[in-house]
Amino acid sequence: GAGVSQSPSNKVTEKGKDVELRCDPISGHTALYWYRQSLGQGLEFLIYFQGNSAPDKSGLPSDRFSAERTGGSVSTLTIQRTQQEDSAVYLCASSLAPGQGKQYFGPGTRLTVT
Amino acid sequence: ELKVEQNPLFLSMQEGKNYTIYCNYSTTSDRLYWYRQDPGKSLESLFVLLSNGAVKQEGRLMASLDTKARLSTLHITAAVHDLSATYFCAVDYSGGGADGLTFGKGTHLIIQP
Repeated sequence: GAGVSQSPSNKVTEKGKDVELRCDPISGHTALYWYRQSLGQGLEFLIYFQGNSAPDKSGLPSDRFSAERTGGSVSTLTIQRTQQEDSAVYLCASSLAPGQGKQYFGPGTRLTVT
Repeated sequence: ELKVEQNPLFLSMQEGKNYTIYCNYSTTSDRLYWYRQDPGKSLESLFVLLSNGAVKQEGRLMASLDTKARLSTLHITAAVHDLSATYFCAVDYSGGGADGLTFGKGTHLIIQP
């Protein structure tokens, strides 16, 4: 595609529900990143994929967060038993290869937990 | 601890003036990025700086990198209203991208006519 796409663009969910966020990177980009942006914490790195593999999951805020990537393309970020502090904009980015030049960001998913 | 500090965090300036945003970072890196974010929008890449002494210019914006001082600057020349946005610098500490980018808190720039 022309750019990184994410869905949904907005998600309102009740506390305790599970949510799944999707990211479709630029075609041919092997590296994929998830970030979270909130007023209190700024922009935080969550997880990185090289192909389908995520070498380090320590950036995920808690064990309620998980992510996967299949076929070296689409990635999903799942948050189980959502809490109000999970409310944020979740941004996905991709790059041609790890550490090679800039990361291209998607439009983000605004998550609101009520 | 990896830190990226921007200053100022908020800047209100008049059209036609010049100003500089500073980005200091805590640990050696030669990969620094500048992004722009408009309200409610995602991040738009402005500059990629990959070596000591790198200087990039695009229109009224110029970015530079001094890896020895661990400092990058974003200079605005003869500001215009359209440059109003939040500007972020970000550092790649891992070299291979595996730790993602570490962002500064952003500089909220308002340019008034």
